Amino acid sequence: DAKTTQPPSMDCAEGRAANLPCNHSTISGNEYVYWYRQIHSQGPQYIIHGLKNNETNEMASLIITEDRKSSTLILPHATLRDTAVYYCIVRVDNAGNMLTFGGGTRLMVKP
Amino acid sequence: GAVVSQHPSRVICKSGTSVKIECRSLDFQATTMFWYRQFPKQSLMLMATSNEGSKATYEQGVEKDKFLINHASLTLSTLTVTSAHPEDSSFYICSARPVSIAKNIQYFGAGTRLSVL
Repeated sequence: DAKTTQPPSMDCAEGRAANLPCNHSTISGNEYVYWYRQIHSQGPQYIIHGLKNNETNEMASLIITEDRKSSTLILPHATLRDTAVYYCIVRVDNAGNMLTFGGGTRLMVKP
Repeated sequence: GAVVSQHPSRVICKSGTSVKIECRSLDFQATTMFWYRQFPKQSLMLMATSNEGSKATYEQGVEKDKFLINHASLTLSTLTVTSAHPEDSSFYICSARPVSIAKNIQYFGAGTRLSVL
């Protein structure tokens, strides 16, 4: 799986958009970008994933650059409950393989 | 989304005792489940991959005789920490991938916080 680089921490004001970057310059053509988050003392939660097109669901939007070497997770209107560690994971879309978690970005949403 | 139930959520035990943690997929079947461990202020580390009907695959450095994994059905995997010691105190989390979903999305349990006295 390709290595990812994320800033260790970020702050965001409540109600504003939170933009979380992820660099994955060694990504291969068949590797997807997955985002999970972990709220304190809970298990990780799947957010969104994509291959090359931008994706949007009820939780967030995923913007992947044209060269696929980086991506941004966007939480359009951050709330205090979005405070969590956000993990960007790049991997081939194979059945049954485990996820490898890096350090992630600790997002603190402030009132 | 798919729900993974993990029980108990918290357990405190004496050193030398064994603790069993259950991981159930409530509304889907999973041929493969994963067990992770997370120490304070660290990321999740994979311990083992649990395969239904066969032996688990352990990551390097994880003692298979100490962390017994059983995956007896498509909806249940158990992790037993045998002869627990204080250094085994950690946050244990399971995950499962639905067999019916093509994409590699894993769903996680809420975790079990183990404290060994």
